[in-house]
Amino acid sequence: GENVEQHPSTLSVQEGDSAVIKCTYSDSASNYFPWYKQELGKGPQLIIDIRSNVGEKKDQRIAVTLNKTAKHFSLHITETQPEDSAVYFCAASRGDKLIFGTGTRLQVFP
Amino acid sequence: DTAVSQTPKYLVTQMGNDKSIKCEQNLGHDTMYWYKQDSKKFLKIMFSYNNKELIINETVPNRFSPKSPDKAHLNLHINSLELGDSAVYFCASSQGLDLISYEQYFGPGTRLTVT
Repeated sequence: GENVEQHPSTLSVQEGDSAVIKCTYSDSASNYFPWYKQELGKGPQLIIDIRSNVGEKKDQRIAVTLNKTAKHFSLHITETQPEDSAVYFCAASRGDKLIFGTGTRLQVFP
Repeated sequence: DTAVSQTPKYLVTQMGNDKSIKCEQNLGHDTMYWYKQDSKKFLKIMFSYNNKELIINETVPNRFSPKSPDKAHLNLHINSLELGDSAVYFCASSQGLDLISYEQYFGPGTRLTVT
């Protein structure tokens, strides 16, 4: 079955700096890669996703890149703000269920 | 308006007890899910239902029995609770089964502590 690895497990950045979180997946049939943000005491919330027919997608300060050949995808957050502090999860899917990575705790210091 | 709601938010109980967690969505979605998030934050799917029909059962012990009385509700009953069942349980819903086409919306979670 699918296995998703995520790095780093924790990431601390200064406000205004960029943050990058990387994931690799094992199942070449996976074709959908969402990213979720989980704030303390809340459920995960979708922030951006990418499908396998696209190499990059951007939404304001957030971007995601996908390398299908290498089976890895990354989340890039630019101009980080304290409210970006949360746990971020990548996931991979063939469409039926989401297989999540192990999460990255991002801390943005003012 | 809460899209996906769960009750209770916290549940503390002793080993061996039976407990239920309730989930309701007011989004008109056809598909609902239960996830377990362990102490290391690892999030894993347990079940999915579509139009009250079980679709996914991820080798969860049969002490866990989901029940979907209608499309808007998916409850999780757990028998003979064990220490290892302590976790945060998330309910989620999506408009349909195809997650490439339909976003999944998560509830706020139920923190279960078994002592």
